[in-house]
Amino acid sequence: DIQMTQSPSSLSASVGDRVTITCQASQDISNYLNWYQQKPGKAPKLLIYDASNLETGVPSRFSGSGSGTDFTFTISSLQPEDIATYYCQQYDNLVFTFGPGTKVDIK
Amino acid sequence: EVQLVESGGGLVKPGGSLRLSCAASGFTFSSYSMNWVRQAPGKGLEWVSSISSSSSYIYYADSVKGRFTISRDNAKNSLYLQMNSLRAEDTAVYYCARVPLLGFMDVWGKGTTVTVSS
Repeated sequence: DIQMTQSPSSLSASVGDRVTITCQASQDISNYLNWYQQKPGKAPKLLIYDASNLETGVPSRFSGSGSGTDFTFTISSLQPEDIATYYCQQYDNLVFTFGPGTKVDIK
Repeated sequence: EVQLVESGGGLVKPGGSLRLSCAASGFTFSSYSMNWVRQAPGKGLEWVSSISSSSSYIYYADSVKGRFTISRDNAKNSLYLQMNSLRAEDTAVYYCARVPLLGFMDVWGKGTTVTVSS
């Protein structure tokens, strides 16, 4: 089974800061990597699919990159409404694995 | 409006059974694979099971294999999860999610809560 790791597990940043989260797969997953945002008490929301494609309606301050085993998710200018936990997720046919999540809050 | 609405959650004793439902609307349900994903209290997201559009392909996480059964009724625009031999560690919010061809989950329900406790 493919395992996913994320770092850091949590971070605090100021409004306007650039925030970067990394996700690593235990084996090559090409670009089959997605990013979700989850706010407390809410369902997850898709932000980025296939490593670098912005989901319709998602602000352009969110971006993703990478391929193979190493991926990066970036918020170019952190906003108060971005306080959430972010998860990476890989898929292989119809088998899915989530990363452990990164909790982002405001300093 | 594209929507998924889960139901069927509740309190059940260890060893008991529960059937979750997910009602889809606003899109052609029969064209999409569907997932169940769960989240234990204070924990991260865990994929539970997937079913292809025509039910030809079904997959389960190792943690539920042999105990849970996913199914769908395309005529009723509905997804199901039959959960048997429930354990305390199955306590979670259960979400259904739509899976377009490319393997991401682009539409999620609000979830239904399952509590397994004596």
